[in-house]
Amino acid sequence: EAQVTQNPRYLITVTGKKLTVTCSQNMNHEYMSWYRQDPGLGLRQIYYSMNVEVTDKGDVPEGYKVSRKEKRNFPLILESPSPNQTSLYFCASSFLGNTEAFFGQGTRLTVV
Amino acid sequence: EDQVTQSPEALRLQEGESSSLNCSYTVSGLRGLFWYRQDPGKGPEFLFTLYSAGEEKEKERLKATLTKKESFLHITAPKPEDSATYLCAVQAQTSGSRLTFGEGTQLTVNP
Repeated sequence: EAQVTQNPRYLITVTGKKLTVTCSQNMNHEYMSWYRQDPGLGLRQIYYSMNVEVTDKGDVPEGYKVSRKEKRNFPLILESPSPNQTSLYFCASSFLGNTEAFFGQGTRLTVV
Repeated sequence: EDQVTQSPEALRLQEGESSSLNCSYTVSGLRGLFWYRQDPGKGPEFLFTLYSAGEEKEKERLKATLTKKESFLHITAPKPEDSATYLCAVQAQTSGSRLTFGEGTQLTVNP
């Protein structure tokens, strides 16, 4: 089954404790991206990657890092999380070009 | 800067009561306009892609249309299972595969 898998689904952590949210896709997509979704702000892109070892900033990259060492994986790293990063996070993947994106189930992160 | 505005923010319908959702956009050369459905606690699920003004696509009770400035998602005789948030997104010709999303319309269909 074609899918984008994120882990964990839920995470509560404390300010400053480094964490990683994993994302994996099995569709051989070149393009992967991370979004955060906040009430009243919609989905905003954090980082994206057009292929292995090619990453770039989206609209709200501050406080986040990503890596793309393998085509299927695109982890999101918060090196020193802060409460304003409490949000619902989605990973998405697609082929390059104007094709539909497939989204993961989301990771609800709470930073206290 | 690409912008997407959806209206209304929320819409409550009775089962069988048809209506339309609006997505207004400004983009520097439209590559594609996408509609997604999002259920609570889940990721967005792809519905349609529209590429040029005048294009229409249908799927069950949903029909999406596109003009040069906006898109409509028409819902005909909705059922309670159509309740969800509907998201509109645009992709610009100069932005690769990047999507810019609107805030969505939360649709509730009462039995």
